Amino acid sequence: VLTQSPDTLSVSPGETATLSCRASQSVRRNLAWYHQKPGQAPRLLIYGASTRAPGTPVRFSGSGSGTDFTLTVTSLQSDEIGLYYCHQYNNWPPGTFGPGTRVEVK
Amino acid sequence: EEQLVQSGAELKKPGESLKISCQGSGFDFSSFWIGWVRHVPGRGLECLGAIIPGAATANARYRPSFQGQVTISADESTRTAYLEWTTLKASDTAMYYCVRHLRSTDSPFDLWGRGTLVTVSS
Repeated sequence: VLTQSPDTLSVSPGETATLSCRASQSVRRNLAWYHQKPGQAPRLLIYGASTRAPGTPVRFSGSGSGTDFTLTVTSLQSDEIGLYYCHQYNNWPPGTFGPGTRVEVK
Repeated sequence: EEQLVQSGAELKKPGESLKISCQGSGFDFSSFWIGWVRHVPGRGLECLGAIIPGAATANARYRPSFQGQVTISADESTRTAYLEWTTLKASDTAMYYCVRHLRSTDSPFDLWGRGTLVTVSS
């Protein structure tokens, strides 16, 4: 089971957003982060806990291993609002997603 | 451009059957695990299963709770993957995304379709 915190994060443009994801048991570094804009499919941002997917700005960084992970977005931009999901693929099937953190612009 | 193009929205009645599709282009469709993820409002995202179209037997792998509830198949010649139900239930109402695994099944999803909304209602 993956839990994410906070449920909702309000951030002013240009500020840093810090999102957390916790696993109920170790997933080693087999964790990814996705961003879903309203009305769109999720897009892969980070995999292997800290590897940026092609096209992911360097302002996005992932850290952690085992059970505790963090996604940090520095200098948040207005079009980066939406839902952020973590996803563990250490145990597949089935692989599980966290419930998501909603990022809003303050 | 790499993309997964999904079939359109469906409105069905409980008990009916349905098969939705996902066609890949711009990459070697046969060599990647292609999966299905659903999004149920209030329940979040769930992985249903995946298939590698180019495998000799094209065996699908399923989340245990979906085994026997859906069938995942693929046609290598048309670069298309399918998700099928024989008997729909209201609880199958969801947005269904076709996804590409980055590598093997124990890897994240690096390409997503736009989704197929399935509504099951009497």
